[in-house]
Amino acid sequence: DIQMTQSPSTLSASVGDRVTITCRASQTISNNLAWYQQKPGKAPKLLIYKTSTLESGVPSRFSGSGSGTEFTLTISSLQPDDFATYYCQQCDSYSLTFGGGTKVEIK
Amino acid sequence: EVQLVESGGGLVQPGGSLRLSCAASGFSFSDHYMDWVRQTPGKGLEWVGRTRNKANSYSTEYAASVKGRFTISRDDSKKSMYLQMNSLKTEDTALYYCARSGSYAPFDCWGRGTLVTVSS
Repeated sequence: DIQMTQSPSTLSASVGDRVTITCRASQTISNNLAWYQQKPGKAPKLLIYKTSTLESGVPSRFSGSGSGTEFTLTISSLQPDDFATYYCQQCDSYSLTFGGGTKVEIK
Repeated sequence: EVQLVESGGGLVQPGGSLRLSCAASGFSFSDHYMDWVRQTPGKGLEWVGRTRNKANSYSTEYAASVKGRFTISRDDSKKSMYLQMNSLKTEDTALYYCARSGSYAPFDCWGRGTLVTVSS
C-alpha cells in the first residue's frame, strides 16, 4: 500500500496567518491527491482534488499544489471557520490511503 | 440534494457479524463507485473497501485489514450499498461512513456515519 505521511500533526496558528500542510507519499502518485477538512462530530468534507482543483463552493483561500510524492495544502489567510483537522488522501491505487491528519488549532 | 444515510451499526461481540446499509438519494447511484471508510474514535480515517459501478462489473476492492472478513455489495434498484462484516474484532470498532467516488476520484459526498462497537 501507498503510505501517506502528513506534517505537522498539529499546527497552532492565528486568524489571518498563512498555513501550509505537507503530505508525502511513499511512491509517485501522479496528481491523484485530495484534501479533506473535518470538524468535530462531522463527516469529512472534500476541499481539493487532482492535487489543485478546488471543489465547488470551497473558498479560494484554499489551494493545493505538488507532484510526484510531495504535496501541499495552503490556506492563504486563516479564518475562524478553518480551525479543523485536515487529511490528504491518494486515489491513485486500488488500495486507497489517507494521511494521519493535521489538526489546525487556535494559537 | 445528494444524500447518503448509513444504518445498521450497533454493539456486537468479538467474532460476531453485522450488516451495514447505505441509502443514497439525489444522484444517479448506478453511475458511481461507492466506498466504505471508517474512523476510530479520536483517530484518523481508514478506507475499508469499494464497489465499482455496473460498467466496471460491480468489482470490489478491500483494505488488507478487512479482506476475507468483510464483503461489500450493492443494489442499484434500491440505490443502496451494503457492508457485511464477519469475524469482527475489537479493532473494527469505529464510525463507518459510506462515500461516493469514482475511478481515480476522491470521496465527494459522505454520509454521517454509523457507529460499530465490537466488545464483550
